[in-house]
Amino acid sequence: SAVISQKPSRDICQRGTSLTIQCQVDSQVTMMFWYRQQPGQSLTLIATANQGSEATYESGFVIDKFPISRPNLTFSTLTVSNMSPEDSSIYLCSANLFTGQGLGANVLTFGAGSRLTVL
Amino acid sequence: GNSVTQMEGPVTLSEEAFLTINCTYTATGYPSLFWYVQYPGEGLQLLLKATKADDKGSNKGFEATYRKETTSFHLEKGSVQVSDSAVYFCALLPNAGNNRKLIWGLGTSLAVNP
Repeated sequence: SAVISQKPSRDICQRGTSLTIQCQVDSQVTMMFWYRQQPGQSLTLIATANQGSEATYESGFVIDKFPISRPNLTFSTLTVSNMSPEDSSIYLCSANLFTGQGLGANVLTFGAGSRLTVL
Repeated sequence: GNSVTQMEGPVTLSEEAFLTINCTYTATGYPSLFWYVQYPGEGLQLLLKATKADDKGSNKGFEATYRKETTSFHLEKGSVQVSDSAVYFCALLPNAGNNRKLIWGLGTSLAVNP
């Protein structure tokens, strides 16, 4: 079954700095999705990264704060810019993949996440 | 609007106990319903799904039945194992609209003790 790899898995960052999270999928996908998972809250979709076009951001998220790159069909990056402690969260990359586990095609599959702590 | 409500955790059980994690939803029409599981240190994985009323999703001994009349999709397992310790998320995907995306519950943490 297909795999999604993210790095870094965790990092501790200083206020005001920026960090780029990388996501690699082992098969070609049209759309990749970036989520945020804050403690005690449900998953929140940040944006959809489309290859060859600008990312589509959800309400409350803007490109200046969360710039996204999508240079090809297997890779994307999310940058968390000018970080503050409120940005401390787990950031998850995902894509619709065929899992081969009897659950059918187009299953939303996630990377292991990147846990960011901003001091 | 669309929403998902899960029972709050943490849930702590002994091995071989019966598990129920409640999930109810609000949605227009007939959404698809999902249970995802997140094991410690790993990403979310789809556990099971149901796409229409009265469907029963099942996987790894877990089951959930899509109940339109009670707008519920409760997760059950007859005999839990220590390896089932994880966080479980209920989610729905609306079946209409131009910008369909998954709506997530808050997650329920399960700890199974030997």
